[in-house]
Amino acid sequence: QQQVKQSPQSLIVQKGGISIINCAYENTAFDYFPWYQQFPGKGPALLIAIRPDVSEKKEGRFTISFNKSAKQFSLHIMDSQPGDSATYFCAASPGYSTLTFGKGTMLLVSP
Amino acid sequence: GAVVSQHPSRVICKSGTSVKIECRSLDFQATTMFWYRQFPKQSLMLMATSNEGSKATYEQGVEKDKFLINHASLTLSTLTVTSAHPEDSSFYICSARTGGNLAGGLETQYFGPGTRLLVL
Repeated sequence: QQQVKQSPQSLIVQKGGISIINCAYENTAFDYFPWYQQFPGKGPALLIAIRPDVSEKKEGRFTISFNKSAKQFSLHIMDSQPGDSATYFCAASPGYSTLTFGKGTMLLVSP
Repeated sequence: GAVVSQHPSRVICKSGTSVKIECRSLDFQATTMFWYRQFPKQSLMLMATSNEGSKATYEQGVEKDKFLINHASLTLSTLTVTSAHPEDSSFYICSARTGGNLAGGLETQYFGPGTRLLVL
């Protein structure tokens, strides 16, 4: 049973556009939601993370929106650049326990 | 941010041999480290959770006798793939969990760069 559902599987966005990746979870015990960026052949790098006490968190061009009642959270990449082309994983965990990852979204930002 | 290193970055070995992969937290102490396996174009699959000074906790379906994990210090965990076979070829990634004081109040996991294992 997949506990974190991520969509879309792949995404093509024009340079300067907004990339939006969505995740939904079932386990109400989840209270930590990070996003990771992974380039081919590299380990995932933490982008941004949120706890459920806030509905939005912004760091530079990256924003997490969180909807606790809908059990959904999303990553928005503003002014998307070709260098943002990577695979993005959402994840969730209850407290400081092990992370459950989504299946990933391959983002391609066209020049 | 916190830095996690892995060594080697890639290794090729013959079938039947054992391979050791090191994971180090360079600028913080990690009481908990994790080992993941990732197949091409797939998500990360947690193999085991490693706590300093105690035995690792393996996920269901992961052979503990094949994937030996040792977490001898607060900055080092090792994964040894014993009697490796071609089906063990994969991308192995470790991560280390920080304390809240390092990540702006949030405990979080930082990942190493991964180790590509190819078993011939």
